[in-house]
Amino acid sequence: GNSVTQMEGPVTLSEEAFLTINCTYTATGYPSLFWYVQYPGEGLQLLLKATKADDKGSNKGFEATYRKETTSFHLEKGSVQVSDSAVYFCAPGGSYSGAGSYQLTFGKGTKLSVIP
Amino acid sequence: EPEVTQTPSHQVTQMGQEVILRCVPISNHLYFYWYRQILGQKVEFLVSFYNNEISEKSEIFDDQFSVERPDGSNFTLKIRSTKLEDSAMYFCASRLQGLDGYTFGSGTRLTVV
Repeated sequence: GNSVTQMEGPVTLSEEAFLTINCTYTATGYPSLFWYVQYPGEGLQLLLKATKADDKGSNKGFEATYRKETTSFHLEKGSVQVSDSAVYFCAPGGSYSGAGSYQLTFGKGTKLSVIP
Repeated sequence: EPEVTQTPSHQVTQMGQEVILRCVPISNHLYFYWYRQILGQKVEFLVSFYNNEISEKSEIFDDQFSVERPDGSNFTLKIRSTKLEDSAMYFCASRLQGLDGYTFGSGTRLTVV
């Protein structure tokens, strides 16, 4: 099965700082890759995704590029805001075969705190 | 925007009791899931459900667990005889098809005492 290694947190940044959260994975084949975010007291929300090598997923100023050669999917944002404070989860999914249930494998999550 | 709804948001139960966690997935989605997150640990896959049957389950999903989609709307997770170690946040999710990401509910925090 898949596995994922995610940057340990917590990460504390000042507003407008640059963010990188590292994520590497092992998988059979070429899985789709996802970042989920969990705001305090809420469920998991899909932040962005990439479905094939060299794809760049982006949303709300966050970006991540599917790097097949390094099996990585690092999350970046150029200028974080206080409202970005949350826990971020990297999650490779199964390779889509057209018939699979496509379960996600989650990393441990990285807690980000952005201070004004 | 369509949502996955979970009830209750918090449930406290005594060890050995049965609990049913309820979920209403997005209406046109085809795949349904339960995940759990023990406090401070990672989110773990429990089970996936498609076409009215379990399609995959993890080692965690033993005989004490069962899932049902009784009426084409609700999707339930039952734990027959709860143990202390079942205390966790349980997330329901649904997915339409293909390479779509999941939509997760807000979770039910289960506390077994």
